[in-house]
Amino acid sequence: QQQVKQSPQSLIVQKGGIPIINCAYENTAFDYFPWYQQFPGKGPALLIAIRPDVSEKKEGRFTISFNKSAKQFSLHIMDSQPGDSATYFCAASRGSQGNLIFGKGTKLSVKP
Amino acid sequence: DTGVSQDPRHKITKRGQNVTFRCDPISEHNRLYWYRQTLGQGPEFLTYFQNEAQLEKSRLLSDRFSAERPKGSFSTLEIQRTEQGDSAMYLCASSSRQAANTEAFFGQGTRLTVV
Repeated sequence: QQQVKQSPQSLIVQKGGIPIINCAYENTAFDYFPWYQQFPGKGPALLIAIRPDVSEKKEGRFTISFNKSAKQFSLHIMDSQPGDSATYFCAASRGSQGNLIFGKGTKLSVKP
Repeated sequence: DTGVSQDPRHKITKRGQNVTFRCDPISEHNRLYWYRQTLGQGPEFLTYFQNEAQLEKSRLLSDRFSAERPKGSFSTLEIQRTEQGDSAMYLCASSSRQAANTEAFFGQGTRLTVV
């Protein structure tokens, strides 16, 4: 059973567009929701994270929207650039346990 | 470089051989995690240490896998009698207990190919 479901699997946008990646989770005990960016041959790098006590968090061009009642959260990338082309993973974890449950990833391609 | 360091970056081994990977976490981090990532998938949790204590193991961690963190610093992951299905990227991450939750920082991984 997949605890964190991510969509779409792949996404192509033009430079300056706003790609949106969605995730849904089942376990209401999850209380930490990070997004990771991964380039080929590299480890995942933390991009931005949110906790369920807020509905939105912005860091630079990246925004997380969180809907606790729907158990969904999404990543928006404003003014996307070709350098943003990468695979993005959402994840979730419970309290101090800390081990992350990842979605299957979204491969984003930003065309110049 | 003060990030998470993994060695080797790539390992090719024959089926049936044993392999060992090393992870050096960020120095002040007391939590260390191992994940496995196969092509086109997200990382999957394998095991986690707090200092030298191994606190959790995933069901993915068969009896051929063993992990240690003897002095609460670096960690090793050993796979015995490797199988082709073990081919994957093995990722190490570390985090600090000081954070309310974990902000895990990942290393660049060790890519294992079993032939």
